[in-house]
Amino acid sequence: ETGVTQTPRHLVMGMTNKKSLKCEQHLGHNAMYWYKQSAKKPLELMFVYSLEERVENNSVPSRFSPECPNSSHLFLHLHTLQPEDSALYLCASSQDARQGKISGANVLTFGAGSRLTVL
Amino acid sequence: RKEVEQDPGPFNVPEGATVAFNCTYSNSASQSFFWYRQDCRKEPKLLMSVYSSGNEDGRFTAQLNRASQYISLLIRDSKLSDSATYLCVVALVYGGSQGNLIFGKGTKLSVKP
Repeated sequence: ETGVTQTPRHLVMGMTNKKSLKCEQHLGHNAMYWYKQSAKKPLELMFVYSLEERVENNSVPSRFSPECPNSSHLFLHLHTLQPEDSALYLCASSQDARQGKISGANVLTFGAGSRLTVL
Repeated sequence: RKEVEQDPGPFNVPEGATVAFNCTYSNSASQSFFWYRQDCRKEPKLLMSVYSSGNEDGRFTAQLNRASQYISLLIRDSKLSDSATYLCVVALVYGGSQGNLIFGKGTKLSVKP
């Protein structure tokens, strides 16, 4: 597999459920991200991991919990979500230029997204 | 003032037309600039970076005006396959973790036969 893959592509869950979104990148990148995309809004950054360390948490409610076990995998654990959390959740990866490799710095490769519906 | 602002469109143009999108950004310390393209129900993909001197990639030309804090994208001889939403993206610093990337809401382009 190549690029950034996300599963599941579609998820419907009730407000009391617990589910997880999974992301895997095969690009050798060292930084991974979760973004939220809602209708008529710009992409909202949720979390950033660089070298498996969380470097940014953009004031996201605690009902979203990220996990980055290694530089190739990223999870977003979901629990007790609200209907307004329904959106497209996009995972992305990049090469963190602070590590000395500037080629492709600031360039994100996105996964196809997980479309979440909370009932 | 919004950090990155774009005309949402939609821009409806016939095949072969030339179309231009503008994007303004509020932070004068911004360092890197990009255009991403997002097809309907798909993920955003990098279209091109925007360099200070302006740059061209086939039918696409990107310009940066730092003094006025705007970026433009020109598409010549538009094709049906150019129909998509074009996202303007601005980075506050060069490199580093991408928490400093700011996305615009996007401009929707629809190219008609």
